[in-house]
Amino acid sequence: QSALTQPPSASGSPGQSVTISCTGTSSDVGNYKYVSWYQQHPGKAPKLIIYAVSERPSGVPDRFSGSKSGNTASLTVSGLQTEDEADYYCSSYVGGYNYVFGTGTKVTVL
Amino acid sequence: QLQLQESGPGLVKPSETLSLTCTVSGGSISSSDYYWAWIRQPPGKGLELIGNIYFTGSTYYKPSLKSRVTISVDTSKNQFSLKVNSVTAADTAVYYCARLQQVTQGCFDSWGQGTPVTVSS
Repeated sequence: QSALTQPPSASGSPGQSVTISCTGTSSDVGNYKYVSWYQQHPGKAPKLIIYAVSERPSGVPDRFSGSKSGNTASLTVSGLQTEDEADYYCSSYVGGYNYVFGTGTKVTVL
Repeated sequence: QLQLQESGPGLVKPSETLSLTCTVSGGSISSSDYYWAWIRQPPGKGLELIGNIYFTGSTYYKPSLKSRVTISVDTSKNQFSLKVNSVTAADTAVYYCARLQQVTQGCFDSWGQGTPVTVSS
């Protein structure tokens, strides 16, 4: 099972929006609603920010939103803030209790 | 509030066995709602699911690691463990334990802080 494809980097100025793509196949992203997104600050553990494509856990700002079309999922961060500068990883269920992660995207707030 | 804490040696010699334990507090590892996972992240690289376990002992292992990995659970101690045999430098990584919400959400909703493991003589 190959890693999901994400752009290596994305950037935006404070207050702007940035969208990160996560491309898989019809065997993972395209076949399941279990797509999630994680935010990871340097030296820290990943933190769940989106699950089931577009659901936000309690406490996650509504600036974070998720969507999916076909084999590609997307994470949008609206109203960028300096604390949003981090690495972001997508993940998809692939069946049989197996999950695959994305290659990761480094978001820079200019 | 649920907390997960990894523990184990930070340095392992090549060809030996890496052993880590994850202690769960603030919740029961025997909950029917969750699975428990080990995930690793090599330096400067992305995340990789190693495998997961249910409180009954049912396991899933990533196929490429299956021959070297064992995950076990001790419900009396609210802990689950990871063993990786015959380690090489490629097993050097930060190892995370996490709770897997498999049934309704399909996500890793709580993570330990991670423990770095270096394979070196």
